[in-house]
Amino acid sequence: GAVVSQHPSWVICKSGTSVKIECRSLDFQATTMFWYRQFPKQSLMLMATSNEGSKATYEQGVEKDKFLINHASLTLSTLTVTSAHPEDSSFYICSARKTGGNQPQHFGDGTRLSIL
Amino acid sequence: SQELEQSPQSLIVQEGKNLTINCTSSKTLYGLYWYKQKYGEGLIFLMMLQKGGEEKSHEKITAKLDEKKQQSSLHITASQPSHAGIYLCGADNYQAGTALIFGKGTTLSVSS
Repeated sequence: GAVVSQHPSWVICKSGTSVKIECRSLDFQATTMFWYRQFPKQSLMLMATSNEGSKATYEQGVEKDKFLINHASLTLSTLTVTSAHPEDSSFYICSARKTGGNQPQHFGDGTRLSIL
Repeated sequence: SQELEQSPQSLIVQEGKNLTINCTSSKTLYGLYWYKQKYGEGLIFLMMLQKGGEEKSHEKITAKLDEKKQQSSLHITASQPSHAGIYLCGADNYQAGTALIFGKGTTLSVSS
């Protein structure tokens, strides 16, 4: 069964709207979760690392004020795309990883965001 | 920063044929992960390789790690339409527990 749940799977909204995407770790507590963005026919680009109880770590070039990340509990991280514009349209995927040693990342099913 | 190069970029094979996908790292590999993705969906974890020479199999998919060459290969035997999708290799950047770095993926199509 799914280890990581992501919601919603698809969002269509008007330009200027803020959109929140939820990522839940179902089988384990995740102190760290990751948010990726994927453009058509391209690989995953890491946007930020979400840390439970502290600020997220953003990759170079990712706007902190545009992509707000909150990791308030050990099983939930949220990504809010603020004042979304058409160029923010993309496929967003979250993942979680168990701590301790080499562990695979488990991914959500992704959220397709379309801004009109 | 570490980079992963996958080859080929895309592949079309006839059902029943074998195929190999390669993943080469620009730096030392601390752990190599293979995932499969259907377009517009999440990633499905296939296998994890940690030690040089390690080989793992799951159904008709076999992955090997050549630590010296900083390379991994994914081999599918007797391909089926269900194998179609995007195969991505991922690696630990510099320490376990951080986000994986991914290759650009190999798109596999299987014709019946």
